[in-house]
Order: sequence, then structure tokens, then C-alpha cells
Amino acid sequence: AQTVTQSQPEMSVQEAETVTLSCTYDTSESDYYLFWYKQPPSRQMILVIRQEAYKQQNATENRFSVNFQKAAKSFSLKISDSQLGDAAMYFCAYRSGVGGYGNKLVFGAGTILRVKS
Amino acid sequence: DVKVTQSSRYLVKRTGEKVFLECVQDMDHENMFWYRQDPGLGLRLIYFSYDVKMKEKGDIPEGYSVSREKKERFSLILESASTNQTSMYLCASRLDRVYGNGYTFGSGTRLTVV
Repeated sequence: AQTVTQSQPEMSVQEAETVTLSCTYDTSESDYYLFWYKQPPSRQMILVIRQEAYKQQNATENRFSVNFQKAAKSFSLKISDSQLGDAAMYFCAYRSGVGGYGNKLVFGAGTILRVKS
Repeated sequence: DVKVTQSSRYLVKRTGEKVFLECVQDMDHENMFWYRQDPGLGLRLIYFSYDVKMKEKGDIPEGYSVSREKKERFSLILESASTNQTSMYLCASRLDRVYGNGYTFGSGTRLTVV
């Protein structure tokens, strides 16, 4: 079974600075997808960024980028120019690309990000 | 935008009660999911449904059942609520035909069983 590990329960960053959230995963599959979700206090889960395992290029969405190291099974999220609105719980998630209905998302335990002004 | 609506934001129930958590999505998604979220454990899958009347157990189905009579609605049922089912419950849906996409989530129901 696939597992996702987020080793940082909490992180803090100063406004306008850069922070990196770590995620590692365990799988024997070669075809899969990785996601970062943000959950602000409103509780609405928001998709931040997605990475297909077959793509070597790291995904980027505005101030958010990932460092995808397939061999190391590592998928970290970098937030540049941090803003107060980035404060939230961040979840790393894995989804198999191999058949099966639904293909459930497997989540890590989450990292709380605090942004200081 | 796809909307996933959970009927209650907060719910307080007594031990032994039968509890229904309702989830409705408005974009014809085939797949729907129920997760529970607990501190330090992240989100864990309870049940999912890949189509009407279809359901599959997730990782922690004990004490729960589900119903999907219509495509847009997926209900989670706690047959006899217990205090260890106090948690945040999140519903999600996904369009099956778009292979790599993620989920759309509801805003969660925080259930307290007393």
C-alpha cells in the first residue's frame, strides 16, 4: 500500500520569505500523480499544485513550485514571497495512475504553516 | 466551478444515535468519497463510490455505511454513533473521465458524539 509522510507538523515563515514543505512517499508503481492541497481555517480544501510522475519538469503555479525527485520519492512544495493568506494546513497526497475505479487519494498527516508579519 | 455541498457544518449527536451525513455535488461527477480528518493522521478514506449504487470500502470502513441512490448525492451513515467517531468528515468528488485530475472537496462537517 502506498504511504505519504510529511515530517514537519508545523512550519513558520516570515512574510515575503520562502519556505519549503517536505513530503516523501512510498510506492512500487511508476505511474502516479502527486498533489499539494491547502486547507485554510475555512476548511475548504484547495488544490495548490499537481505533478504527473512521468513528467520530469517540476510543476509551477505562480508562487508555488515543487521539487519532484522521483528516484528519492520526494515531493516538496516551495512557497515564494509568502503572504499572510498562505497560512493554512498543507497536505501532500498521492494517487495511483494504474487502473481501478476512483483511484483514491492517499494523504499525509499535514503541515501547519504559520506566516508572521 | 464544481460545488460539493455538505449539509451540516457542525453536528452534535448522542452515543448510539444513527447519524446521516449528506453530500451533494452539482457537476455530474462519477466518483465520490468520504474521508475523516483527525489531527496527526491526515485524511483517511472511509468509503468511496465510483457510480450510482456502487460503493467500495476504504481504509477505515468499520462503523460506517454509505448510500448512493442518485449520482449527485452520497450519504455517509453512522449506524450507532460512538465517541471515537468524533471527527471532521470531508466529502469529495471527481470526474472519472479526466484521468489525472484531483478532487473537489466540500467544506467539511465537524461531528461531535457525546
